[in-house]
Amino acid sequence: DAGVIQSPRHEVTEMGQEVTLRCKPISGHDYLFWYRQTMMRGLELLIYFNNNVPIDDSGMPEDRFSAKMPNASFSTLKIQPSEPRDSAVYFCASSLANLGEYEQYFGPGTRLTVT
Amino acid sequence: AQSVAQPEDQVNVAEGNPLTVKCTYSVSGNPYLFWYVQYPNRGLQFLLKYITGDNLVKGSYGFEAEFNKSQTSFHLKKPSALVSDSALYFCAVRDTGRRALTFGSGTRLQVQP
Repeated sequence: DAGVIQSPRHEVTEMGQEVTLRCKPISGHDYLFWYRQTMMRGLELLIYFNNNVPIDDSGMPEDRFSAKMPNASFSTLKIQPSEPRDSAVYFCASSLANLGEYEQYFGPGTRLTVT
Repeated sequence: AQSVAQPEDQVNVAEGNPLTVKCTYSVSGNPYLFWYVQYPNRGLQFLLKYITGDNLVKGSYGFEAEFNKSQTSFHLKKPSALVSDSALYFCAVRDTGRRALTFGSGTRLQVQP
């Protein structure tokens, strides 16, 4: 398996622009998670999905952030409009719901820089 | 609410020496605990987990972790460190009531040749 795939790996954009981050989970996994990593705040859970349905979006910082999962193999995290404080590494992770399989498998991340 | 504490920002150890990266947790109910490693410009990689059973858990790359319920700790260990073990290590605990993980702040491990 190719693992969790994220694109782009790097994104540089100007304040006010729309940014879309993409994620393909591991085939067969039914949970998908979006995280943000910064030096100041560490690793924060933004939102997670089960079977394409958003379960908990309490970590989404503002209405400028939105996430979708239109099917089992694709999810997007959108920031509109972007701000410099959104600069971070964004990770997608997936997991399997089988009993005991609680570990999550992470993608390589998207490094977002907003100038 | 659950929480994880990694009291050391950085751990330095000489190659060949044993290493320990500390983690303590707070959770209601039975703890489900995890260790992840992050190499530069990479995502987090799963190392090992404790769900139930033996207090000594063995994982990838020769790492192991010891679960101690009375001390609410889950320290990561390796008998002989390698330079290639230098990375950022995260302890995590499963959230109560939802299928998510709460991560610690991370500990940077530096193994000197």
